[in-house]
Amino acid sequence: KQEVTQIPAALSVPEGENLVLNCSFTDSAIYNLQWFRQDPGKGLTSLLLIQSSQREQTSGRLNASLDKSSGRSTLYIAASQPGDSATYLCAASLWSGNTGKLIFGQGTTLQVKP
Amino acid sequence: DAGVTQSPTHLIKTRGQHVTLRCSPISGHKSVSWYQQVLGQGPQFIFQYYEKEERGRGNFPDRFSARQFPNYSSELNVNALLLGDSALYLCASSPRGQVNTGELFFGEGSRLTVL
Repeated sequence: KQEVTQIPAALSVPEGENLVLNCSFTDSAIYNLQWFRQDPGKGLTSLLLIQSSQREQTSGRLNASLDKSSGRSTLYIAASQPGDSATYLCAASLWSGNTGKLIFGQGTTLQVKP
Repeated sequence: DAGVTQSPTHLIKTRGQHVTLRCSPISGHKSVSWYQQVLGQGPQFIFQYYEKEERGRGNFPDRFSARQFPNYSSELNVNALLLGDSALYLCASSPRGQVNTGELFFGEGSRLTVL
């Protein structure tokens, strides 16, 4: 059974710091890994999608890496800003039979202090 | 282009009642998935539909049901509501039936409170 874990559960940093959010998964047979942002009470905004054949993806100040062999993904946020404060969720994509679904971690809640 | 739209955004029900949540996918997307997110947890998979057919179901009781219409919009129905059904219900769409190869796009969710 695939399990996705995110560490830490919460993180508070001063503005301008570079930071790393961690995601681990138990089954390396994933098809892709997706990082999302969720603001309080809101839906999910897709940040980055890494296909299983890729090792990293970049978008602006965000960089996500994927190491299937070790079952890990990291989201690197450069020069953090107060507007980055949100919950960040990683999700591993599984294919079972005729069904594709995402298995989510519990999220890391980030607070960036001005 | 409009994103995934869900309605209603908020609703309050009492135990034992029934609820219907609606979702319109991004134009051109044929696959719709439903997820339940309890406060403080990550979303959990409920259903996936593609071309009006159920492709998969998560570990949820039979009180939960869904369907997809010819225009690819979808409804999630929950009968005999329990307090534990209180959650944010998220709908997601993708262009293909196989979410494993594509990106999933989520709506803002429907916040259900069961009293």
